[in-house]
Amino acid sequence: EAGVAQSPRYKIIEKRQSVAFWCNPISGHATLYWYQQILGQGPKLLIQFQNNGVVDDSQLPKDRFSAERLKGVDSTLKIQPAKLEDSAVYLCASSLGDTWGTEAFFGQGTRLTVV
Amino acid sequence: ELKVEQNPLFLSMQEGKNYTIYCNYSTTSDRLYWYRQDPGKSLESLFVLLSNGAVKQEGRLMASLDTKARLSTLHITAAVHDLSATYFCAVDTITDKLIFGTGTRLQVFP
Repeated sequence: EAGVAQSPRYKIIEKRQSVAFWCNPISGHATLYWYQQILGQGPKLLIQFQNNGVVDDSQLPKDRFSAERLKGVDSTLKIQPAKLEDSAVYLCASSLGDTWGTEAFFGQGTRLTVV
Repeated sequence: ELKVEQNPLFLSMQEGKNYTIYCNYSTTSDRLYWYRQDPGKSLESLFVLLSNGAVKQEGRLMASLDTKARLSTLHITAAVHDLSATYFCAVDTITDKLIFGTGTRLQVFP
């Protein structure tokens, strides 16, 4: 079974530039999560989708971050404009959701460095 | 707001010793997960605990869940170097929102 795919693996940008990350979840998984993990900390939930609807985006800095999940499958996370404090690993995860359990499976992440 | 706390944050232990990592959470939940993260890597699912009193074991690791106390433990038996990693617990909310703890960085030395 293919896992959660993310790209790119690494990205270096200058502050005030924009960047986008892509995620392809495990086939059939209804729930998709984007997490931000700053070095030395636990993952922080940015946004959660159920199919193509947003369930929770309370921690998403909406003035600069946006995310979408087209047709309930792939998702993109965008930052515009980036700040130095956005340097982190961005992790995408997916799960079957609800009745079937919410064990989340994670992609390899995208390491973003803002200089 | 759901808070998930782990302790200790850092654990250095000798090979062959036993120790327990604790995960406390602040709201009602009966679903809890343990993950392992190696440096520079993503998160690997270790245990899924879906009810009060659940106990799961894999090799030298054993996880348990007490939903009444809002507490989960990850017990390490006879530690070996290969267990060195950061361990996270994550709590599931009613909306399937998965909130992670602060993490416990484990180092096992000879």
